[in-house]
Amino acid sequence: SQQGEEDPQALSIQEGENATMNCSYKTSINNLQWYRQNSGRGLVHLILIRSNEREKHSGRLRVTLDTSKKSSSLLITASRAADTASYFCATAYNDMRFGAGTRLTVKP
Amino acid sequence: GAGVSQSPSNKVTEKGKDVELRCDPISGHTALYWYRQSLGQGLEFLIYFQGNSAPDKSGLPSDRFSAERTGGSVSTLTIQRTQQEDSAVYLCASSVDRYTEAFFGQGTRLTVV
Repeated sequence: SQQGEEDPQALSIQEGENATMNCSYKTSINNLQWYRQNSGRGLVHLILIRSNEREKHSGRLRVTLDTSKKSSSLLITASRAADTASYFCATAYNDMRFGAGTRLTVKP
Repeated sequence: GAGVSQSPSNKVTEKGKDVELRCDPISGHTALYWYRQSLGQGLEFLIYFQGNSAPDKSGLPSDRFSAERTGGSVSTLTIQRTQQEDSAVYLCASSVDRYTEAFFGQGTRLTVV
């Protein structure tokens, strides 16, 4: 079973624009992680935010976490065509569960 | 090894046959996960191993699915009497523990014909 829901399911933007993806989840968490997947195969870890953190940055990525609303957002600034991929949030508690993902397309 | 290794990369099998999928995690990682991903869909949790604890099998879709992890390292996911709906990419991941980032293999694409 899946833990969370990503919103939107698909997002199409122009290069240079910012992309925001949202994740909602249902249960308690130790941390929330974001992953990227190209071409439907292995996922790559992007960033981890702990349940006692509210915001985290890594390069062009900014993640926020609101545990009272059980939601997180991933912002990619100044997007590039190479950012085209599917993005998934995952919640870690007893195990690790993923959402359905957001398909991001960045047009050159 | 340098990363998580899964074999085979692709497997085509006839309906009703049994298949075994293998995952070699990163050395020293105590946590190991199996997921299933159908085309264009999210990751469906199957099973989770943590050290020597009893595995969390709550995601296995039926009793045709089983998995084991020998010596706290290599894991095998077995699907008995495969059905067409079992066709998907099966992904394995490992991590130092359940609270740290996970490293994924490239997956096994299973096609049941």
